[in-house]
Amino acid sequence: KAGVTQTPRYLIKTRGQQVTLSCSPISGHRSVSWYQQTPGQGLQFLFEYFSETQRNKGNFPGRFSGRQFSNSRSEMNVSTLELGDSALYLCASSLVGSGYEQYFGPGTRLTVT
Amino acid sequence: TQLLEQSPQFLSIQEGENLTVYCNSSSVFSSLQWYRQEPGEGPVLLVTVVTGGEVKKLKRLTFQFGDARKDSSLHITAAQPGDTGLYLCAGLPKTSYDKVIFGPGTSLSVIP
Repeated sequence: KAGVTQTPRYLIKTRGQQVTLSCSPISGHRSVSWYQQTPGQGLQFLFEYFSETQRNKGNFPGRFSGRQFSNSRSEMNVSTLELGDSALYLCASSLVGSGYEQYFGPGTRLTVT
Repeated sequence: TQLLEQSPQFLSIQEGENLTVYCNSSSVFSSLQWYRQEPGEGPVLLVTVVTGGEVKKLKRLTFQFGDARKDSSLHITAAQPGDTGLYLCAGLPKTSYDKVIFGPGTSLSVIP
């Protein structure tokens, strides 16, 4: 069974731009969660989607948004990028929810200059 | 607010040594997971412990869940360079609708 895939793997953007990251979950998994990982803050929960509905949201500004498609693939968008948005963005899929076993993708390394 | 603390934050040991890392919280979790993350990659699930007092062994790794389900430990016997990585614990809430809480991690370096 194929694992979680994320595209792109690396991205360099300029302050003020916007970015869209993509995540394809494990086949059959309906839950997709997004996390931001930085050296200072560790792994922080962004949001979770289940069957195209946002089920949970972390404490991030409205510049961070996401969506999930009918095939369970998910995208997250960050608008008006700031230097502090530089991080590894991880996507995790789960059969029924982030409260159960999650399988992480390799992440997208975003650098904002 | 549920928080997880991990100690030590950094650990550098020689190959063949034993080590224990800890994950502590003031909150009760329904279960707790341990992940290992290598640089530039996503975390990989090692184990899930569910029952208070539970002990699970995975080759040279031994995981224990505290009786009160507030803390956990990971013990590695005869560490190898391949054990190098960031070890994260994650507390799972009581329902699948709550957020998973991750600890800050323990960065382990095993020197050949």
